Amino acid sequence: EAGVVQSPRYKIIEKKQPVAFWCNPISGHNTLYWYRQNLGQGPELLIRYENEEAVDDSQLPKDRFSAERLKGVDSTLKIQPAELGDSAVYLCASSFGSEGGTEAFFGQGTRLTVV
Amino acid sequence: RKEVEQDPGPFNVPEGATVAFNCTYSNSASQSFFWYRQDCRKEPKLLMSVYSSGNEDGRFTAQLNRASQYISLLIRDSKLSDSATYLCVVILYGGSQGNLIFGKGTKLSVKP
Repeated sequence: EAGVVQSPRYKIIEKKQPVAFWCNPISGHNTLYWYRQNLGQGPELLIRYENEEAVDDSQLPKDRFSAERLKGVDSTLKIQPAELGDSAVYLCASSFGSEGGTEAFFGQGTRLTVV
Repeated sequence: RKEVEQDPGPFNVPEGATVAFNCTYSNSASQSFFWYRQDCRKEPKLLMSVYSSGNEDGRFTAQLNRASQYISLLIRDSKLSDSATYLCVVILYGGSQGNLIFGKGTKLSVKP
């Protein structure tokens, strides 16, 4: 069975440019997470979906970040415009079960460098 | 205070050593606990769940102390391949119901 798939693996953009990340969760997993991980830190939650509903987006910087999960499967995370401080690894994870609560499986991440 | 706190290390130990990592969490409503392992430039992967009664998987033992809001991971007979960052994870129930909250991680380096 395929794991969580993310693309692209790497992205280098100039500041003020837009960027988008894509995630395909494990089949049947209703919960999808986007995390951001800075060097030497643990992953920090940006947004959590239950099916197509964003149930917690309290940590998402909404002035420049947006996310969607149409049809409750794939998800995209967008940054517009990107800032130097957005350089990080963006991780998507999925899990099965209502209201989260179970272990999550991660994709390989997208390493974003803003120059 | 951070919701999940870990000693960042690094822990540098020789092969065969026993090493223990600790983690504390601030939210008493936390209900589920895990240890994840993350290799350099890789994604986190589940190492083991942590149960109230404590649990063991080969050389790895995890324990939970709800009264002290404390989780531990013990690695016996360390191998070179155990070198990684170990992330403590709690799942909150309550205001952030269902969210996996990660500690910063503890880096382990096992030397020959």
